[in-house]
Amino acid sequence: AQKVTQAQTEISVVEKEDVTLDCVYETRDTTYYLFWYKQPPSGELVFLIRRNSFDEQNEISGRYSWNFQKSTSSFNFTITASQVVDSAVYFCALILFGSARQLTFGSGTQLTVLP
Amino acid sequence: DGGITQSPKYLFRKEGQNVTLSCEQNLNHDAMYWYRQDPGQGLRLIYYSQIVNDFQKGDIAEGYSVSREKKESFPLTVTSAQKNPTAFYLCASSITVRDYGYTFGSGTRLTVV
Repeated sequence: AQKVTQAQTEISVVEKEDVTLDCVYETRDTTYYLFWYKQPPSGELVFLIRRNSFDEQNEISGRYSWNFQKSTSSFNFTITASQVVDSAVYFCALILFGSARQLTFGSGTQLTVLP
Repeated sequence: DGGITQSPKYLFRKEGQNVTLSCEQNLNHDAMYWYRQDPGQGLRLIYYSQIVNDFQKGDIAEGYSVSREKKESFPLTVTSAQKNPTAFYLCASSITVRDYGYTFGSGTRLTVV
């Protein structure tokens, strides 16, 4: 069975600070996808990134960056120069290649960015 | 714009009552899903449907029922057998069950009073 752990339940930062959200996963399979989603107060999940297990290249998208390390089973998410609009719950998730079932979600990290 | 519409946004239920949560999509997706979200927990799958007239149980299906009579619609009924139904419910869809580009609705918050 798969497991995703987000040990940080809540994080508060002041605007313009950098913040890293941790995600550690467990799976015996070698082929899988990892995701990050943002859940703003409105409730819907907003897709941020999908990374397959064969691609360990880090990715940067604007103020967002992701660090995928298979050696430590981690897929961490960094927001640079945080803004108040970044305040949300962030979920990390995993699904096996070919799975017809579901995403395995972490418990989420509530990020609050203070002005 | 294409997307998923969930209604109502807030729902109150008396103990012993069945209630139905609506989920409609206009994305022409074959696969649809229902998730439950509790405070401090990740999303857990209740039911999913790969195609019209087909649906499968997820991890926490007890006390819930679904139907998939139309491609666009995947309603969830929370029955009186669900012992702790107060939660946030999210509906999602994808082109197929093996296409992992999920689109989520904005959720329904169900409270038992």
